[in-house]
Amino acid sequence: NAGVTQTPKFQVLKTGQSMTLQCAQDMNHEYMSWYRQDPGMGLRLIHYSVGAGITDQGEVPNGYNVSRSTTEDFPLRLLSAAPSQTSVYFCASSYVLAGETQYFGPGTRLLVL
Amino acid sequence: RKEVEQDPGPFNVPEGATVAFNCTYSNSASQSFFWYRQDCRKEPKLLMSVYSSGNEDGRFTAQLNRASQYISLLIRDSKLSDSATYLCVVNALNSGYALNFGKGTSLLVTP
Repeated sequence: NAGVTQTPKFQVLKTGQSMTLQCAQDMNHEYMSWYRQDPGMGLRLIHYSVGAGITDQGEVPNGYNVSRSTTEDFPLRLLSAAPSQTSVYFCASSYVLAGETQYFGPGTRLLVL
Repeated sequence: RKEVEQDPGPFNVPEGATVAFNCTYSNSASQSFFWYRQDCRKEPKLLMSVYSSGNEDGRFTAQLNRASQYISLLIRDSKLSDSATYLCVVNALNSGYALNFGKGTSLLVTP
């Protein structure tokens, strides 16, 4: 199993550009989520999904869209990139049960100029 | 007030030392508790779950005190390879099964 994979590893954007961060998992996990990690802030939840076709907002959803058309994939779209979105983005997945371990992808480092 | 609070450290300890980290959480209805480890520029990985009765995994011992709403992690006989950031994590009841992360405690084990 590849686990949770994310692409790209690194990306540089200009303000106003849009892009999609890809996340895929091959563990048949129902639950997938996106976090961003900033220095001094810890990990913050952006959006999450408890199954195909179901998504919801987390703590910091503004400026991001998600969709979940398949169990395996959970892409994160930046609609119009801003310097405040410079961060490291982690995708995670788990079975939908409280207490289940979440598995993280290796992260995408995004710089918005 | 942040839901999960940790002392950021850094904790600098010599090899072989015992070190303890504490963490407090604000939501008394939280049900699941974890310690994750994050190496520099890497993703977080589960170190251990924390159970009400306390649990041990080799050199690592986790304790939960529901009455005081704090979680602890004890590392005995520290190794150089234990150098990392340790994240205290609590489930977020109002975000499906999402997790609330503390900002992490940095540990540096020196020769």
